Amino acid sequence: AQSVTQLGSHVSVSEGALVLLRCNYSSSVPPYLFWYVQYPNQGLQLLLKYTSAATLVKGINGFEAEFKKSETSFHLTKPSAHMSDAAEYFCAVTLRDDKIIFGKGTRLHILP
Amino acid sequence: SQTIHQWPATLVQPVGSPLSLECTVEGTSNPNLYWYRQAAGRGLQLLFYSVGIGQISSEVPQNLSASRPQDRQFILSSKKLLLSDSGFYLCAWSTEPIYGYTFGSGTRLTVV
Repeated sequence: AQSVTQLGSHVSVSEGALVLLRCNYSSSVPPYLFWYVQYPNQGLQLLLKYTSAATLVKGINGFEAEFKKSETSFHLTKPSAHMSDAAEYFCAVTLRDDKIIFGKGTRLHILP
Repeated sequence: SQTIHQWPATLVQPVGSPLSLECTVEGTSNPNLYWYRQAAGRGLQLLFYSVGIGQISSEVPQNLSASRPQDRQFILSSKKLLLSDSGFYLCAWSTEPIYGYTFGSGTRLTVV
C-alpha cells in the first residue's frame, strides 16, 4: 500500500529565506503525488501535482516540487518565504485508486 | 465550473444531540465524494467515501454515518454526539483521484 511521510510537524523559516518541506513516499508502482496547503479554518487547496509528465512541477504562489524516484521524495520548495506562506502543508499520494493518502502535515511558521 | 458547498461553517452541539452536515457539488456528474475529519494534532482522517448514489465505504468504525441520497449530495450524520466527535470536518470531491481532490471550506464542530 502507498503512504507518505512528512519530516517535521513544524518548520520555521525567516521571511525571505528558502522554504523546504520534506515528503517521502512509499509505493510499489509510479505514484501520483500532490501538495496541498491549508490556511486556518479553511479547506485544503491544491498547490501542485505530479502526474509523470515532468519531474519538476511548478505550482501556485511560487512553490515547486521535484519528483526524485531514486530518493522516493517529493520535497516542496519556495526560494523566498513570505509572511502569507504561513499555513499547514500536506503531501499526498494515490495510485489510480479511489482514495488519496495524506501525510500528517507540516505547519510552516514564517519569522519576521 | 465546479463548486463545492459545505455547511454550516461552525456548529456547537451538546453531547447526545444529533448531527447532520451537508455537502453538495455543482457542475459535475457522478463525482467521488469524501468526508474527512481533522482533530488537533491528528492530521486528516478519512471517515467515508462514495463512488455513487447509495454506495458508502466506511474507513473508521465510530459514532458517525454517511449517506448519498443524490448524485451530488453527501451527508454526514450522527444520532448521538460524543465529546470526541469535536473537530474540523471537510468534504471533498474528485472525478478521478489522479486529478486531486477539491475540498469544501469545512465545518468546525464543537461538542459541549
